[in-house]
Amino acid sequence: EAGVTQFPSHSVIEKGQTVTLRCDPISGHDNLYWYRRVMGKEIKFLLHFVKESKQDESGMPNNRFLAERTGGTYSTLKVQPAELEDSGVYFCASSHPGPPSYNEQFFGPGTRLTVL
Amino acid sequence: QKEVEQNSGPLSVPEGAIASLNCTYSDRGSQSFFWYRQYSGKSPELIMSIYSNGDKEDGRFTAQLNKASQYVSLLIRDSQPSDSATYLCAVKGVDSSYKLIFGSGTRLLVRP
Repeated sequence: EAGVTQFPSHSVIEKGQTVTLRCDPISGHDNLYWYRRVMGKEIKFLLHFVKESKQDESGMPNNRFLAERTGGTYSTLKVQPAELEDSGVYFCASSHPGPPSYNEQFFGPGTRLTVL
Repeated sequence: QKEVEQNSGPLSVPEGAIASLNCTYSDRGSQSFFWYRQYSGKSPELIMSIYSNGDKEDGRFTAQLNKASQYVSLLIRDSQPSDSATYLCAVKGVDSSYKLIFGSGTRLLVRP
C-alpha cells in the first residue's frame, strides 16, 4: 500500500509569490489533514477534509491560505501571496474513514517551503 | 501552559537499555493518544496509539497512559542506535475535531 505522497518536496519562492502544495492520501482514506511546522515550533494543525468537504478549518492562519480537495482524492494547499512567516514544513496526513483507526493519522514526507 | 508538553532532551541511553519518554497534557477530557517517531528530515511515523488507562505493548515498545495524572509515556526496551530519533507525543482534540495536538518532541540518542 502506497503511503501519503506530497509534491514538491522543496519550494523556494519570494515574498509575494504564490505556491501550491499537493497531497495524495493513502488510497481509501476519506480523511485528509494539513499540518505545518514552522522553525522551532510544534507541528500545528491547519485543516481537515472528509472526502471533498472541509470538516475543520480552525487552524488556517489567515485568508492567504486556500485548501481544496476536489473529487475527494488529492488535495492542494495554496498560499497567495506568500509571506516570510509562512516558511516551514507542510505535512499532509490521512486516516481511514472508520473507527477506531480513523484516529490514526499517517503522515506524508512534507513540503519544505522557504519564502525569501 | 502548553497543551502537550515534552522534555526536549536529548535523552541519551546506552544500547540495550530501556528508554523512557514522557508526555503530559492539559485537557482532562482527552481520550486518544499517539506516539510518533521522526527521523531528521523525514515524516512523523506512527508507532503507538493508546486509548485506555494502563499499558499497551507492541514489540519493544510499551505505551502507558494515566488519565488521572494526565500523563502518557513510551518505553523502548533493548534500545538500538537505530531508535535514535525525535519522539512526538500527540493528543486528539477533545471536541468533535479530529485534529492532533503535538508536543515539541523529545530527542533520543542511543549510544552504541
